[in-house]
Amino acid sequence: AQSVSQHNHHVILSEAASLELGCNYSYGGTVNLFWYVQYPGQHLQLLLKYFSGDPLVKGIKGFEAEFIKSKFSFNLRKPSVQWSDTAEYFCAVKSGGSYIPTFGRGTSLIVHP
Amino acid sequence: DTAVSQTPKYLVTQMGNDKSIKCEQNLGHDTMYWYKQDSKKFLKIMFSYNNKELIINETVPNRFSPKSPDKAHLNLHINSLELGDSAVYFCASSHKGWSTSSTDTQYFGPGTRLTVL
Repeated sequence: AQSVSQHNHHVILSEAASLELGCNYSYGGTVNLFWYVQYPGQHLQLLLKYFSGDPLVKGIKGFEAEFIKSKFSFNLRKPSVQWSDTAEYFCAVKSGGSYIPTFGRGTSLIVHP
Repeated sequence: DTAVSQTPKYLVTQMGNDKSIKCEQNLGHDTMYWYKQDSKKFLKIMFSYNNKELIINETVPNRFSPKSPDKAHLNLHINSLELGDSAVYFCASSHKGWSTSSTDTQYFGPGTRLTVL
């Protein structure tokens, strides 16, 4: 069974700091990769996704993620965070053979103004 | 134009009661899902329906019964509510989730926060 690891459970940053959230998965075949964001009290919203092609994916709100197949990773990055980026961030992986994505346990990001 | 909507947004009830949560999507998607998010924010799939048919039923107590009257609706009925059922329940939909080769993306509803007292 596939698994998804988000090693950073809690991240605290000051505004304008750079962000990188880790995501690693266990499946060795073809994967579809997603990052979702959940703002306080709200539902999950898709930030970006990777299906194929350029491994550097740009999403909404200035976020990007890089798929590194050799490292089984799909880390999320943002060069300069804002207070409004305070939220939970979820990595999800869907692999061939399963149409249900597996979600990581989430990373809580707090950005201080 | 809410794509995936759920009602109610909040539900507070006593142990032992029966309650339902409704979900509707206006995206024309074939597949709908119910997820449970616990207090530690962990998202766990409960059910998946494709075009009104149950496709996936994870290890969920049989007190939980999904019902899909049509492919745009997937309701969740819970019997004999227990304290451990307190969580946020998310409905989601995707275009053709049943296709393993599909580059499918899930869209989530706003969630229903269930509190069992």
